[in-house]
Amino acid sequence: SQKIEQNSEALNIQEGKTATLTCNYTNYSPAYLQWYRQDPGRGPVFLLLIRENEKEKRKERLKVTFDTTLKQSLFHITASQPADSATYLCALGERALTFGSGTRLQVQP
Amino acid sequence: GAVVSQHPSRVICKSGTSVKIECRSLDFQATTMFWYRQFPKQSLMLMATSNEGSKATYEQGVEKDKFLINHASLTLSTLTVTSAHPEDSSFYICSATGTSGGRETQYFGPGTRLLVL
Repeated sequence: SQKIEQNSEALNIQEGKTATLTCNYTNYSPAYLQWYRQDPGRGPVFLLLIRENEKEKRKERLKVTFDTTLKQSLFHITASQPADSATYLCALGERALTFGSGTRLQVQP
Repeated sequence: GAVVSQHPSRVICKSGTSVKIECRSLDFQATTMFWYRQFPKQSLMLMATSNEGSKATYEQGVEKDKFLINHASLTLSTLTVTSAHPEDSSFYICSATGTSGGRETQYFGPGTRLLVL
């Protein structure tokens, strides 16, 4: 069955550093991979979508890579800020999405 | 930008009662909406795809007679949890596809917290 793995351990980093989150998947060949931010008690907010034929995509301080051979996506936040503290979800698909369990990021001032 | 709202944001009900949750796309039309459920510290799980003017498509393991979905207009989908039980307590979230900057994007509602006593 399809499986998406995100590091369940919280990631704690210092303000200004680059945060790197990992998403690995198995038994799936998605045409699209998306990253969302979710704050406690709120719905997810779309951040970036990357297609299978794209290696990398950037948006302001965010960068996503997509390696279909390794079946892995990396999500980077550069110059991190305390306001970036949230749970980040990886999702496969375009509309009906399969989500990972998310990684909680805590940026310390 | 596109906005999706949900009502109510929070509901507490007694076991055995039914609860209706509304999902609205406020400034765009959505022929398809999606309903997810999220238990504490777990991932969002897709429950069903709501299609305007036709029957919803349910994911494996989701009882269609328990989770009734109605998508009567291009801006409104409702999820009714019938004969709710404590194990139905969860965070229910809807999403809809809208267009931003010429690109399709998934917009999620703020979620509805259901507590069944």
